[in-house]
Amino acid sequence: DGGITQSPKYLFRKEGQNVTLSCEQNLNHDAMYWYRQDPGQGLRLIYYSQIVNDFQKGDIAEGYSVSREKKESFPLTVTSAQKNPTAFYLCASSIGTSGKNSQYFGAGTRLSVL
Amino acid sequence: EDQVTQSPEALRLQEGESSSLNCSYTVSGLRGLFWYRQDPGKGPEFLFTLYSAGEEKEKERLKATLTKKESFLHITAPKPEDSATYLCAVRRHMDSNYQLIWGAGTKLIIKP
Repeated sequence: DGGITQSPKYLFRKEGQNVTLSCEQNLNHDAMYWYRQDPGQGLRLIYYSQIVNDFQKGDIAEGYSVSREKKESFPLTVTSAQKNPTAFYLCASSIGTSGKNSQYFGAGTRLSVL
Repeated sequence: EDQVTQSPEALRLQEGESSSLNCSYTVSGLRGLFWYRQDPGKGPEFLFTLYSAGEEKEKERLKATLTKKESFLHITAPKPEDSATYLCAVRRHMDSNYQLIWGAGTKLIIKP
């Protein structure tokens, strides 16, 4: 079945530690996205990538980093510079980035601070 | 400032009691309005895309409509399995910006 796989489902971070969230898709989509979801707020875009080896910052990129070495993969690293990392992280993809392309989401990773 | 507001924040209905969820938006140019359903602890599931005022889309007990300032998600004779948070998002007219502006969602609870 085609889809987006995020792992792990739950992740705990110690102070000063970097952690990496995995996102893999087998939909052959060109564009991939990372969002952060906090209670009572709309999704906020962290980073997005339209093509391999290229990515752009979203609204809240500070304290995060990404890479896009393969079309299928778009991992997100939450660095120690992100002081409030506790949130639900969602990865999404779309065929392209034109206005008529819908985004499809993975099941999410819930990150908590120990 | 571009903004998307969903109301109400939460809605409790009896099974079979029809109602509507609202998504109002202020954007400089609309390039699509999207409705998603999100179950607890899961990612959003795509429901509909609307592009122009007057457009309507239907899926089972759900019907989405669009005007120049807002969209409604009508739920007819809902069942407990329709309980979820419904998210609305809009895409602006910007050649080099593909971001969606998301509302905070409406949590729908259908009691049997």
